[in-house]
Parts: sequence; structure tokens; C-alpha cells
Amino acid sequence: QVQLQESGPGLVKPSQTLSLTCTVSGGSISSGGYYWTWIRQHPGKGLEWIGYIYFSGSTNYNPSLKSRVTISVDTSKNQFSLKLSSVTAADTAVYYCARGRGFSVAFDIWGQGTMVTVSS
Amino acid sequence: DIQMTQSPSSLSASVGDRVTITCRASQSISTYLNWYQQKPGKAPKLLIYAASSLQSGVPSRFSGSGSGTDFTLTISSLQPEDFATFYCQQSYSTPLTFGPGTKVDIK
Repeated sequence: QVQLQESGPGLVKPSQTLSLTCTVSGGSISSGGYYWTWIRQHPGKGLEWIGYIYFSGSTNYNPSLKSRVTISVDTSKNQFSLKLSSVTAADTAVYYCARGRGFSVAFDIWGQGTMVTVSS
Repeated sequence: DIQMTQSPSSLSASVGDRVTITCRASQSISTYLNWYQQKPGKAPKLLIYAASSLQSGVPSRFSGSGSGTDFTLTISSLQPEDFATFYCQQSYSTPLTFGPGTKVDIK
């Protein structure tokens, strides 16, 4: 079955760019109809949608982060990635990659999550 | 943005209890509503999609209902493994938004 796994640095300095990759296994990222998504959760808090890239390549970002976010896909590696620029301590969170499906964009498969701390 | 609220924010219940959690949207979202369960240190797990459809592999004691602005998640008979935090999520419009969560713990 399809599995997702996040990877990337656990510590990022303020003002730098946070870069994470999600590797998709057990299925092709090019399969139609899915929203390849990044979601984060601040410590002890709720869930925040960052954005997604649709299988067609189109993207949709949370306006609160849009100026700093880029989500891209590498079909040759079956991966999609998140870049978040100009990070501050407020970007410290657990970052999840997830697969959204269907008209209700339900996130049916999630990575285990990776903690990213922004600190000098 | 569509704001999602949940009530209660937390509840204490016993094994075997019937539990109902409410989610309300700040505007009508038809049935573009999903429910998740999250246990400490784990990723959320999809329970219900499109307001009332049970995700494959999820026990039938979980059910969802509602449309428009008001939705409910019901656990018909609470089991020990159900103690967790539950979130609703709307996908009617972007930005996709989640409710603040309802924590269910042991009485």
C-alpha cells in the first residue's frame, strides 16, 4: 500500500529556508486525482494546511504562507517537496506530508511527521 | 477563510459510552467535511470523509452526519483505543481549515 515518509533537517536557522521532502512508496505520485499536501502542527496545537500540489502540477497555498511557500514534485524520484523561506521561531512545528483524495480532499494517507525547530 | 469550531473542546467518558462531537462551519460547506483521530505523537488518521462516509478499515462504531454548517461525529460505544483528539476539516474552499480539536479522555 502507499506510504509517505518525510525527510529533511530537524534544525533550521532563522531567516533561512526550510526544505523537506516526502517520498512516496507503494504507488506512483503521477497517479491521477490526488492532492500531495503539506500540513503542520505547532507544538501542542492544532493542524494547519500549508498547501498542495495536484497531480496535474497545479499548486494551491495557504494565503497566510503563500509568499514564502513553494511545493514541487519530482516524478522521477516519486517525491514532492516543501520549501518555506525566511523562517522564524513561529515556523517551529511538526511537518506532515499527506495524500488528499476525492472531492472532499480527505487526507487518507499521512507520513509519520518530522519535527522542525527554528533556532540559532 | 472558513472558520471551523468544535464542541466540546474536551470530554471525559467511560468505555462503552456513546460520544458525540460537534463541528460547525462559519458558512455552508455542503458535505465537504472530514473527521480525523490523532493520538499523541502520531499522525492523524482519517475516520470519516464527505461528512458521512466511513473510511475503509475504520470500525463501524464511528459515524458522521450533517450538511451545511453543522456536523457530528458519533462513537456509538467508546473503546479503550478511541481515547484521542478528534479534528474536523473542511474542503469546501481554500485555505483548507481544521477545527481546533476535541480531546476525549478517560473518566
